[in-house]
Amino acid sequence: NAGVTQTPKFQVLKTGQSMTLQCAQDMNHEYMSWYRQDPGMGLRLIHYSVGAGITDQGEVPNGYNVSRSTTEDFPLRLLSAAPSQTSVYFCASSSQGNSPLHFGNGTRLTVT
Amino acid sequence: RKEVEQDPGPFNVPEGATVAFNCTYSNSASQSFFWYRQDCRKEPKLLMSVYSSGNEDGRFTAQLNRASQYISLLIRDSKLSDSATYLCVVNIYNYGQNFVFGPGTRLSVLP
Repeated sequence: NAGVTQTPKFQVLKTGQSMTLQCAQDMNHEYMSWYRQDPGMGLRLIHYSVGAGITDQGEVPNGYNVSRSTTEDFPLRLLSAAPSQTSVYFCASSSQGNSPLHFGNGTRLTVT
Repeated sequence: RKEVEQDPGPFNVPEGATVAFNCTYSNSASQSFFWYRQDCRKEPKLLMSVYSSGNEDGRFTAQLNRASQYISLLIRDSKLSDSATYLCVVNIYNYGQNFVFGPGTRLSVLP
C-alpha cells in the first residue's frame, strides 16, 4: 500500500540552487497536486495536473515548475531556490469525481 | 469572505468530552465534502467523507446541510489521541477537481 510517495523527506538548499521534489502515486489517480504549508498557515496550492501531459497553475506558482509525463509521477522543480520557499511541501492525488485527496508524507525544505 | 471558514479555535477539552466543529462554505456548486485531521508537522489524513444524509464512523459523526452550506463534525468521548488540527475540505468540482481547504481548527484533549 504505497499510496503517494514523496522524496526526499528533508532537504537543505542554498539560495540560488535548483532541485526537484519527487512525487509518485500507484493508485492510477488522474489528478495530482502540490501544496506548500508554512508555519501557522493553511495549505496553498502551487500547481496541479488533471492527467498526463496536462498541468496548470494554482494559487502560488511563481518559482516552481511541474511536468506530468506519466500518470504516476508529478515532480516539482524549484528553479532558483529562495529563502521564501522554505516550507513543507505536500503532494496529493485523487481520482476524478467525488473522491478525496490522498497526501504524501511531505518534504521539509529549508533554503539558507 | 473566504470560500471555506471554520471555527477559529483552539478547542481545549477534557478527555471524555463531546466536541463539535463547524464549517461553512460559500460556493453553492460545491460537490463533495471531507474532514481531514492533521497532526503537527505531518500530512493531512482523511478522517471521513461527508454525505448528505449524514454519516457516522465510531465516535465521529459528520453532517451536511446543503441549504445552509454548513458542515459539522462531532467527536464523542474525546481521547488524548484526538488532539490534532481538523480541516474542512470542499471540492468545487467543475470539469475537474478543485479542492478548497478551510484554515483548520485545533483541538487539544487534556488528561
